[in-house]
Amino acid sequence: ETGVTQTPRHLVMGMTNKKSLKCEQHLGHNAMYWYKQSAKKPLELMFVYNFKEQTENNSVPSRFSPECPNSSHLFLHLHTLQPEDSALYLCASSQERGSPYEQYFGPGTRLTVT
Amino acid sequence: AQKITQTQPGMFVQEKEAVTLDCTYDTSDQSYGLFWYKQPSSGEMIFLIYQGSYDEQNATEGRYSLNFQKARKSANLVISASQLGDSAMYFCAMREPQTGANNLFFGTGTRLTVIP
Repeated sequence: ETGVTQTPRHLVMGMTNKKSLKCEQHLGHNAMYWYKQSAKKPLELMFVYNFKEQTENNSVPSRFSPECPNSSHLFLHLHTLQPEDSALYLCASSQERGSPYEQYFGPGTRLTVT
Repeated sequence: AQKITQTQPGMFVQEKEAVTLDCTYDTSDQSYGLFWYKQPSSGEMIFLIYQGSYDEQNATEGRYSLNFQKARKSANLVISASQLGDSAMYFCAMREPQTGANNLFFGTGTRLTVIP
């Protein structure tokens, strides 16, 4: 058990739907991340939050909207997605300070956009 | 340019044998960190081992060791005494503080299959 949970584990949604992914970490970390993992591509960092403040947005389309109400919870709100957005979405957390900053990942949400 | 290159899409190893998974990296920073993660079919990324650029000794964690060759910019993962449960995707990653203290750059991964 890594201490990072994600719900739902699987999600199928139409292009006009609105849904949200949830991540919770029980490790006392201050930084949280959203990654996208597509087949045969490196993990793509989407968003980074430090102490609830967004510090990174790697040119992610506005149809993905993150929310971090506190250091333990992270959401990814989805609306009007495209089929190419189908992927595994991974949440991670880490300490904000102190080497080596290893990130602990959740099990991911497998998203299929139809 | 790719910051992390993993040239082996798939590897096979006999149970109880050792296997080396290759990783090369590209950075102009003097201070950086290298990580290996394991991803079983369940999807979760599991942190295995870390090597700092200033660490003189190769990192070891149980059956995992990192063969760090700084001049060649390589950070190969060695798994000794392979077990069936080692079958998974393995990802090499790098953190460059200059480009963002929290950012990890991942390679495309190597799928390891352990043969009984």
